[in-house]
Amino acid sequence: GENVEQHPSTLSVQEGDSAVIKCTYSDSASNYFPWYKQELGKRPQLIIDIRSNVGEKKDQRIAVTLNKTAKHFSLHITETQPEDSAVYFCAASIRAGGTSYGKLTFGQGTILTVHP
Amino acid sequence: DAGVTQSPTHLIKTRGQQVTLRCSPISGHKSVSWYQQVLGQGPQFIFQYYEKEERGRGNFPDRFSARQFPNYSSELNVNALLLGDSALYLCASSWGQREKLFFGSGTQLSVL
Repeated sequence: GENVEQHPSTLSVQEGDSAVIKCTYSDSASNYFPWYKQELGKRPQLIIDIRSNVGEKKDQRIAVTLNKTAKHFSLHITETQPEDSAVYFCAASIRAGGTSYGKLTFGQGTILTVHP
Repeated sequence: DAGVTQSPTHLIKTRGQQVTLRCSPISGHKSVSWYQQVLGQGPQFIFQYYEKEERGRGNFPDRFSARQFPNYSSELNVNALLLGDSALYLCASSWGQREKLFFGSGTQLSVL
């Protein structure tokens, strides 16, 4: 089955710096890659996602890049703010045809701390 | 605009007992998935239901079962609880033709 590795496990940055979190996946059939942010005691929230037919996607200060050949994808957060502090999870999934399948394989998570 | 709702929020059980967790998806969403999140780890897939049929099952023992009702709400049942079942159980919903999963806040289960 699919295996997703996420690095680093912890990341500490100063406010205003950039943060990069990297994930690799094992199943070349995976074609959907979301990122979730989970604050302490709260639900995982989808912050950005990318499909395999796209190499990069941006949403304000957040961007995700995908390298299908190398089977890795990364989350980039620019101009970090203290409220960006949370646990970030990457995930991978195989989306078949027109049917929605719920199975996501998650990475182990990255604890991001942004110091004021 | 209500999100995914789960009940109860917290639950304490003893070994050997049985537990039922409930989930109501976002209105219009026909797919519900269940995940187990152990402290310090990413969520692990348990089940996925779409249009009331099981569409996927993760690597969990038969003590875990689930179902989806005509209104698309869902229940997760766990029998013969073990200490290792202590975790946050997350429900997520998605619309049939869309691929984004939206999570509830979870049920924190403690098995003593």
